[in-house]
Amino acid sequence: RKEVEQDPGPFNVPEGATVAFNCTYSNSASQSFFWYRQDCRKEPKLLMSVYSSGNEDGRFTAQLNRASQYISLLIRDSKLSDSATYLCVVDNQAGTALIFGKGTTLSVSS
Amino acid sequence: DAGITQSPRHKVTETGTPVTLRCHQTENHRYMYWYRQDPGHGLRLIHYSYGVKDTDKGEVSDGYSVSRSKTEDFLLTLESATSSQTSVYFCAISEDSGQGNYGYTFGSGTRLTVV
Repeated sequence: RKEVEQDPGPFNVPEGATVAFNCTYSNSASQSFFWYRQDCRKEPKLLMSVYSSGNEDGRFTAQLNRASQYISLLIRDSKLSDSATYLCVVDNQAGTALIFGKGTTLSVSS
Repeated sequence: DAGITQSPRHKVTETGTPVTLRCHQTENHRYMYWYRQDPGHGLRLIHYSYGVKDTDKGEVSDGYSVSRSKTEDFLLTLESATSSQTSVYFCAISEDSGQGNYGYTFGSGTRLTVV
C-alpha cells in the first residue's frame, strides 16, 4: 500500500457544484494531516490542516477518519478559481517530514 | 513578503557537471527540506535539515548532497548531474518537524534541465 493515495482525477465540474476528494494513508501512527493546493507550474500552498474533529474554512471542509486512515476534502459552491491540483499530506513514519500524495486535479468550468 | 527564496529559478546544465541550488529563508525556521516533483511521482523528499549542520536523507537522496552552514541557507548539490535529475526542485521551511499543525511553506521552485 502506498503511503498516501489519491484519486488523480481529473474532476471536471461546473461552477457551483460540490466536489469531494478522498485520500488514504498507510501509517497508522501519523499525527499531522493537511490539504495543499498547487496551481499549474507553481509551488504547493497550504490550504488547511485536518483535525480529528473535522474542520471547516469557508467553502472547504476537511474530515479525518483515523480508524479507516482516510482523509477527505469537500468543496462547496465551486468557483473557477478553485481549479488546481489538491495534494493530500501526512507526516512520515519517523515524524521527520511530510509525505505528499500525487494530487487530485480539479477543473471548474463556467 | 516571500520568506523563502530559491535560486536559480531556471537552469540548464550538461550531464556530468556539478550543480548547486540555493534555498534562503528569512523566517528563522529550524527545519528545511528539499523535494523534487516529477510527473507521475508527485513530491518526493531528497534531504532535510533540522538545524545548522544537521541533515538527513530522504527517500530519493542518491546523487544529491546538502549543506546547511547557516540557519537561513540550505544548499542542494547534484554531484554529477544526470538526465534523470531533470526535475522541478522545491525547498520548504517549517517551524516544526511535521508532527504539528504548521505545515510547510514552499519556495517558488527551480526548474532544472540536464542535457
